[in-house]
Amino acid sequence: GESVGLHLPTLSVQEGDNSIINCAYSNSASDYFIWYKQESGKGPQFIIDIRSNMDKRQGQRVTVLLNKTVKHLSLQIAATQPGDSAVYFCAEKEGFQKLVFGTGTRLLVSP
Amino acid sequence: DAGVIQSPRHEVTEMGQEVTLRCKPISGHDYLFWYRQTMMRGLELLIYFNNNVPIDDSGMPEDRFSAKMPNASFSTLKIQPSEPRDSAVYFCASSLSRNEQFFGPGTRLTVL
Repeated sequence: GESVGLHLPTLSVQEGDNSIINCAYSNSASDYFIWYKQESGKGPQFIIDIRSNMDKRQGQRVTVLLNKTVKHLSLQIAATQPGDSAVYFCAEKEGFQKLVFGTGTRLLVSP
Repeated sequence: DAGVIQSPRHEVTEMGQEVTLRCKPISGHDYLFWYRQTMMRGLELLIYFNNNVPIDDSGMPEDRFSAKMPNASFSTLKIQPSEPRDSAVYFCASSLSRNEQFFGPGTRLTVL
């Protein structure tokens, strides 16, 4: 889907570099956070999640950090590859099942 | 596993016409969500169902929008009458209980 806005913040990196994408959330009561990746023409795809009782969680090549004091979330991608080029969204869970998405960051990886 | 299936993938219609978007969730999932994505507003939740029952429709923009889930394997989002400002990509997602949501490929709607 044509999902991305013309004014999305953009992070440009070289292949092999580490990438850090940041997100500020609004609700201090949120207890669950998710990062999604959206490639052009596709729906968002789950990457990794974290609960508020943790401050760090690692996956394959990805790490999510949560700082509840300043309501900040970050996604770190190690050894970034061209296939990582996409728009990345953070989302916070509101209530039982409702997700509230951030505006997104476009990651561009140059070979 | 076919994932979440949406149809049509693209829809072009004229203002005033009725539009129906369709979604087949992943088999066994008990939650179904409809989202709208635009450049201006990003990704917004419109409505979600649990076990075919609408739980929260507070994101539905106005009475022109309606959604149904007659059974566990099918849902529709209808816009009647459609307006140019409804142009967006509409996503359906499903999940099993409180676990991650799986998104479909979306329907790109253009209202002329």
